Order: sequence, then structure tokens, then C-alpha cells
Amino acid sequence: DAGVTQSPTHLIKTRGQQVTLRCSPISGHKSVSWYQQVLGQGPQFIFQYYEKEERGRGNFPDRFSARQFPNYSSELNVNALLLGDSALYLCASSFNPQGAYTEAFFGQGTRLTVV
Amino acid sequence: AQSVTQLGSHVSVSEGALVLLRCNYSSSVPPYLFWYVQYPNQGLQLLLKYTTGATLVKGINGFEAEFKKSETSFHLTKPSAHMSDAAEYFCAVSENRDDKIIFGKGTRLHILP
Repeated sequence: DAGVTQSPTHLIKTRGQQVTLRCSPISGHKSVSWYQQVLGQGPQFIFQYYEKEERGRGNFPDRFSARQFPNYSSELNVNALLLGDSALYLCASSFNPQGAYTEAFFGQGTRLTVV
Repeated sequence: AQSVTQLGSHVSVSEGALVLLRCNYSSSVPPYLFWYVQYPNQGLQLLLKYTTGATLVKGINGFEAEFKKSETSFHLTKPSAHMSDAAEYFCAVSENRDDKIIFGKGTRLHILP
């Protein structure tokens, strides 16, 4: 079975541009979460979506937005890119975040470099 | 608010020696606790987790961790280090069971030959 897939794997953008990152969850998983991992730091929670609804948002500016599609895939959008947005962006999927714990599986990430 | 503190951003051990990576957490409710490993240019892989029940949890690759509520700790150990254990290790906590996972800053483990 395919794991969580993210695209693209790497990209370079210029300050002020906009970027869209994509994530396909494991088949059957309805929850997708996004994390930002700046070099030398642990991942930081950005968003969680479940059944196409936003269920959680971390401490990130409104330049960051996301959505989940009917097939449970997700996109993360970042507008007006800053140098500080350079990071590894990780997507995680899980079967059901409600009630009992179900493991979150992480993708390989998208490495975004802003120049 | 929940938080995680990992003691030591870099830890070096000799091959075959005990590995001990320290983690303390803060949580207002009984937490879920995790250790993840990250190899260079890779995503995160779950090593082990504590949810409920037995406080000593065993994970993959010979790692284990013990949940100590009184000490708010969840230290990771492995009896004998292997060169392939060299990686970044993240301790993490979750209160909401909803995939909002709070990570520590990580500990890079170096294995000396």
C-alpha cells in the first residue's frame, strides 16, 4: 500500500510569491495534518483537516491556508512568501482523530526554499 | 499548554553502549507520548508510543521508553547502540488525540565507532 505522498519533493520560490503543496493520505485515512519543520527544529503544527473541515490551526499567520478535497487529499497554500518560510513541510494522515488514538503517518515532506 | 523539553541537542555514544535520550513533557491532561526518528532528508517514523496501560513501552529497532507520571518524563533507551541508529530523535506529546502533535526540538544521536 502506498504511504502518504507529498508533491513536489523540492521547490525554490522567490520572496513574495505564492506556493501550493500537495498531500495524498493513505487510502482510507480521512484526517490530514500539516507541519512546518525549520532546519534544526522540531516540526510545528500548522493545520488539521478531517472530513474536509478544519479541526485545528496552529500559531501561523493568515498567509497560510489549506483545504481538503472530497478524496481526502489536501493542499497547503502559502502567500507572500518570506525567507523565514523556508522549511520542510510535512503532511501526516490518520484514520480517525476522534476518540481513540490512531497513529499518524508522515510523508517524506516538501523542501521549500525561499530566495 | 502542552510542551516538550528534550535535554541535549546532541548526544554521542559508542557503538554497543547504552543509548539514553531524555524527554520531559508538560500536559494538563493524561497525554499521549511519542518518540519519532528522522533520518537525513526523510520524513518522520514512529519509534514507539504511550497511550494508556503499561508504562514501559517497546518500539522498533530495540528501543523502549518508560512513562513516569511523577517525573513527567518519557526517556528513550536502547541497551546497545548500532551505527544505523545515528539520526535525529523527536519526543512528542498530544492531548487532543486529534493529530495535533507537539514536538520537542530534537536530539541528534551520533554513534562513535
